Amino acid sequence: DTEVTQTPKHLVMGMTNKKSLKCEQHMGHRAMYWYKQKAKKPPELMFVYSYEKLSINESVPSRFSPECPNSSLLNLHLHALQPEDSALYLCASSQGAGTSSTRTDTQYFGPGTRLTVL
Amino acid sequence: GESVGLHLPTLSVQEGDNSIINCAYSNSASDYFIWYKQESGKGPQFIIDIRSNMDKRQGQRVTVLLNKTVKHLSLQIAATQPGDSAVYFCAEKRSNYGGSQGNLIFGKGTKLSVKP
Repeated sequence: DTEVTQTPKHLVMGMTNKKSLKCEQHMGHRAMYWYKQKAKKPPELMFVYSYEKLSINESVPSRFSPECPNSSLLNLHLHALQPEDSALYLCASSQGAGTSSTRTDTQYFGPGTRLTVL
Repeated sequence: GESVGLHLPTLSVQEGDNSIINCAYSNSASDYFIWYKQESGKGPQFIIDIRSNMDKRQGQRVTVLLNKTVKHLSLQIAATQPGDSAVYFCAEKRSNYGGSQGNLIFGKGTKLSVKP
């Protein structure tokens, strides 16, 4: 089973709202990722969690706040977003051995959350 | 600059024909490559991968070729079907980029359209 699930599928929020995106995997993967994808563009990495610790933050604005409560769950908390933050937000996971073998560490993606900021 | 890119943004093929989607990379330190398929409204789906110590890998109806001399990657789809219509992304993992995880760098994508 290579399934990564994400909720909600669609989210519409105002610029003053606080919302959260959720991601879950039960493959025993120890690395989880958040990507942002604009229309007709490739996914862009936002955050990487390795063994439930934030290992990479790709200079993402503080209005995006990731959280990894346990090895199966990954959240992305949203607050005071801008209309240009509207995009497809993708979660991915990989085995994440934390060694050189991570060079061939396949990432599996969820279906994404389509976010619209009004 | 260093990038992963695709030669053609769109590719249209007849059902039953073979498809070839190309990708160029510029960083010789990249040692792992993946092809993803993304259908409209869905997340990228893993198709096939290849390590830099290989030059060819075959899956079900798909073959990935890696030419390290010219830094070129291709995805061949045999007997293309309407269900193959999607955007295809190549991605590279650079061993000298980022933290211990090593990040995926995606190409721009090629939209494959299959005509019945």
